[in-house]
Amino acid sequence: DTGVSQDPRHKITKRGQNVTFRCDPISEHNRLYWYRQTLGQGPEFLTYFQNEAQLEKSRLLSDRFSAERPKGSFSTLEIQRTEQGDSAMYLCASSKPSHQETQYFGPGTRLLVL
Amino acid sequence: GEDVEQSLFLSVREGDSSVINCTYTDSSSTYLYWYKQEPGAGLQLLTYIFSNMDMKQDQRLTVLLNKKDKHLSLRIADTQTGDSAIYFCAETANYGQNFVFGPGTRLSVLP
Repeated sequence: DTGVSQDPRHKITKRGQNVTFRCDPISEHNRLYWYRQTLGQGPEFLTYFQNEAQLEKSRLLSDRFSAERPKGSFSTLEIQRTEQGDSAMYLCASSKPSHQETQYFGPGTRLLVL
Repeated sequence: GEDVEQSLFLSVREGDSSVINCTYTDSSSTYLYWYKQEPGAGLQLLTYIFSNMDMKQDQRLTVLLNKKDKHLSLRIADTQTGDSAIYFCAETANYGQNFVFGPGTRLSVLP
């Protein structure tokens, strides 16, 4: 396993711009999760996919946020019209069919909105 | 919604045992977890316990679960400076879908 990877690791953007983050899960992991972590807090669940299907979305995921996993492998998280309150670490995790209870996390993408 | 609480800070001397505590509200939790996060890094899974167990030991780590009181603890034996990090407690009520995390306990290990 090469681990969950995320790109970019850091992103600085101006308020109102759109940003897109990518997550590559561990190969053969069918579930992929997105979380948001603000400073001094634990991660908060945003959404998750089983294969290409988005099965659950948190109320935290406003209509400016959209996530996709078109081929059931990598996923993208897009934030449109970014706001300063979107500044956070965005974490991706994945799990495999035989052990769905265990999520493996990537290093995260740290977003700063100026 | 469901909630997970932890004390925010813990300091111990190198070589001592550390005990990090967590309480949760979800009576239907199925799995409970301990993750470690070092500065600027993602979360590393340390250990987890199924809700029908009351103890799990893995090398220097011992997890105790009191389901009646909804209390989870992580004991680290012979704490080392490399154990300095933030430790997150998390639970899931639906076999691994969305996790609910606590705010994290910052462990400082003093030489």
